[in-house]
Amino acid sequence: NAGVTQTPKFRVLKTGQSMTLLCAQDMNHEYMYWYRQDPGMGLRLIHYSVGEGTTAKGEVPDGYNVSRLKKQNFLLGLESAAPSQTSVYFCASSLGGTDQPQHFGDGTRLSIL
Amino acid sequence: KNEVEQSPQNLTAQEGEFITINCSYSVGISALHWLQQHPGGGIVSLFMLSSGKKKHGRLIATINIQEKHSSLHITASHPRDSAVYICAVRYGGSTLGRLYFGRGTQLTVWP
Repeated sequence: NAGVTQTPKFRVLKTGQSMTLLCAQDMNHEYMYWYRQDPGMGLRLIHYSVGEGTTAKGEVPDGYNVSRLKKQNFLLGLESAAPSQTSVYFCASSLGGTDQPQHFGDGTRLSIL
Repeated sequence: KNEVEQSPQNLTAQEGEFITINCSYSVGISALHWLQQHPGGGIVSLFMLSSGKKKHGRLIATINIQEKHSSLHITASHPRDSAVYICAVRYGGSTLGRLYFGRGTQLTVWP
């Protein structure tokens, strides 16, 4: 039982490049989330989804786009990467909303040069 | 202002000691989460509670709604408990997908 799987685990980009982070969950969870974690700060919500075909903005959505075409997958896109987007990105999922425990992926360490 | 404050920021203990990590928040909540982030970076949900007390093994989480405060206790601490412990809350009036996270408490347990 894999839980929540994030790919890739590490990536280095140049400013202006684009990329997509993939999150896949096999628990049939409705809710999925993308967070970023920066030194000295708590996890911050980028975007989230309450079900297949739906997405919503979180606390820090600028510079990111997301899609949830299939229930099990939640994609996070950076159209034109900036050094300020250097961070560790976590995907999470939960059966219901934030009154339910969240299951996290192992994170993606992204560096933008 | 929706803030989540954790204390202490860093905590060092000797193996076997009783550990307490605190979390306070500013307004009424509907749920509070305690998470553990391993040295390798992975994050695991430990507890989700809205009232009272929960226990799992050597871990105990309590919440006092009136005082807007929660504690995470670790009994008989062990070096493998070394991790960052994170508190997160869902405020009663917040949108469905939003948790507010504390900055974490770095716990180091020495043998």
